[in-house]
Amino acid sequence: DAGVTQSPTHLIKTRGQQVTLRCSPISGHKSVSWYQQVLGQGPQFIFQYYEKEERGRGNFPDRFSARQFPNYSSELNVNALLLGDSALYLCASSLAWAGDQPQHFGDGTRLSIL
Amino acid sequence: QKEVEQDPGPLSVPEGAIVSLNCTYSNSAFQYFMWYRQYSRKGPELLMYTYSSGNKEDGRFTAQVDKSSKYISLFIRDSQPSDSATYLCAMKGNQGGKLIFGQGTELSVKP
Repeated sequence: DAGVTQSPTHLIKTRGQQVTLRCSPISGHKSVSWYQQVLGQGPQFIFQYYEKEERGRGNFPDRFSARQFPNYSSELNVNALLLGDSALYLCASSLAWAGDQPQHFGDGTRLSIL
Repeated sequence: QKEVEQDPGPLSVPEGAIVSLNCTYSNSAFQYFMWYRQYSRKGPELLMYTYSSGNKEDGRFTAQVDKSSKYISLFIRDSQPSDSATYLCAMKGNQGGKLIFGQGTELSVKP
């Protein structure tokens, strides 16, 4: 069975541009979460979506937005890119949004801002 | 103070050694505890997932949770060079799916 898939794997942008990252969850999983991982640090929570509704938001500016589609795939959008947005962006999926539900991660999109 | 503290290492051990990795936390609302392994340029891979205090064993891996001390551990027996990776502890409460991660410990197992 396919795991969590993310695209693209690498992306290079310049300051001020906008970017869209995509995620397909494990088949049957209805919840998708997004995390940002800066080099040398653990992942930081950005958003969680379940059944197309936002169920949680981390401490990130409004430049970050996301949505979930009827097939449970998800997009993360980042506007007005800053140098500090350079990071590995990880998507994780789980069966449900809370409780005893482990999250499984994709290999991420590596975003570099020049 | 961070909610989850984890020594970043690096930790270097000889092949066959027993490895002990640890995290402490401050939020008593955390109920679920995880260990992920992350190879370079890859996403975190779920190794162990526990709910209550006590031990959970899976092959060469043992996860230990002590909620009274707010302390979790991962033990790796008979460590192999293929275990060389960054190990991340993570935890969450009952509400929602937000995972709080430690900084990660970089482990190197030398042949």
